[in-house]
Amino acid sequence: GAGVSQSPSNKVTEKGKDVELRCDPISGHTALYWYRQSLGQGLEFLIYFQGNSAPDKSGLPSDRFSAERTGGSVSTLTIQRTQQEDSAVYLCASSLSHFPLMAFFGQGTRLTVV
Amino acid sequence: DQQVKQNSPSLSVQEGRISILNCDYTNSMFDYFLWYKKYPAEGPTFLISISSIKDKNEDGRFTVFLNKSAKHLSLHIVPSQPGDSAVYFCAASALKGAQKLVFGQGTRLTINP
Repeated sequence: GAGVSQSPSNKVTEKGKDVELRCDPISGHTALYWYRQSLGQGLEFLIYFQGNSAPDKSGLPSDRFSAERTGGSVSTLTIQRTQQEDSAVYLCASSLSHFPLMAFFGQGTRLTVV
Repeated sequence: DQQVKQNSPSLSVQEGRISILNCDYTNSMFDYFLWYKKYPAEGPTFLISISSIKDKNEDGRFTVFLNKSAKHLSLHIVPSQPGDSAVYFCAASALKGAQKLVFGQGTRLTINP
């Protein structure tokens, strides 16, 4: 597809379980970002990839959160031992490296931890 | 520590009138600002941006104003149309060495026919 694709669209999981969220960026976009939006909050930066490396992981809220990117394309955000406060919409965005701020967002994954 | 603030959670405007959305920031290192628009169940889409070397940028019905001394920016939409009803996010970045955007909480704009 032409846009950023995220899967699943919705995920309900039990507290303590691990979840994986997937992002397929726009073809040719070398920069990839993960953000999350909790209820009533703005978008919170989590991690940024340039190619396969992550020069900025400063937004990951705890060591339960990790992300990887392979082949300079698909990225996976993994949350281990989920907690109720992890419930949020997780948004992925990608951009051309020379204009990183004009990022294109996917539709997000709504994660609900029960 | 909320570095970018949108103090109005919601705004309701009559169709055809001007919509003004406001945003304040605290970090003086921010030098690039963007507005994103978000419809339900969709990701945010880029709307308009402004560099700190300017005080105004216009694109059709959308104009962004930047007041650096007040650390304040605003988005004007005129005339407002029903399709403008969405959540609007203000975002800021410090271009040097930073690749992330800092977002405000968003303002839900409703345009009434």
